[in-house]
Amino acid sequence: DIVMTQTPSSQAVSAGEKVTLSCKSSQSLLSSANKHNYLAWYQQKPGQSPKLLISWASTRESGVPDRFVGSGSGTDFTLTISSVQAEDLAVYYCEQYYDTPYTFGAGTKLELK
Amino acid sequence: QVQLKETGPDLVQLTQTLSITCTVSRFSLTAFNVHWVRQPPGKGLEWMGAMWTGGGTDYNSAFKSRLTINRDTSKSQVFLQMNSLQTDDTAKYFCARSRGSYEGFDYWGQGVLVTVSS
Repeated sequence: DIVMTQTPSSQAVSAGEKVTLSCKSSQSLLSSANKHNYLAWYQQKPGQSPKLLISWASTRESGVPDRFVGSGSGTDFTLTISSVQAEDLAVYYCEQYYDTPYTFGAGTKLELK
Repeated sequence: QVQLKETGPDLVQLTQTLSITCTVSRFSLTAFNVHWVRQPPGKGLEWMGAMWTGGGTDYNSAFKSRLTINRDTSKSQVFLQMNSLQTDDTAKYFCARSRGSYEGFDYWGQGVLVTVSS
């Protein structure tokens, strides 16, 4: 199985701050056939279902604010929130869909400083 | 709009079988895949398995032979059945949709919290 490792496990932030979340996979998620990285980012707020923010490592879903930016390739990926808002406080998960079983990272919890 | 809704028991006895139904609306099970994902209280997400558009299934080997996923396309329903439940199967169980065989989950149900009780 592909192991997804997210760091940090939690991060305290202030509104307006830039934050970078890391996700590393135990094997490359880059397809040689189509040059796509099979990685998604989700946001989960307390009591809610996860929400897909970014797919293919860097493609924002419709309606997701442009302060959320996904980047990276191969085994190293990053989710950057350029200016954190109060409504962004949540747990963020990365997930690989390169191969089954699909696997998630343990999550990064964004908390208020 | 696209919806997925899980229905199932709140409580299941130790060693018994869990059955959950995912009823979908505004999309066809022959056009989109449906997955099962679970989340123990306070913990992370675990992919359990998938019902593909063609009717085939894929399972996480972590569940060995305990897990079965079926569907009834005429009722727009996907079913999860897992036997020999243990206390560490206590979790919220979600169904979620993916646009392709290898894509992220763009719509999720609200989940059903199942407690396994001894």
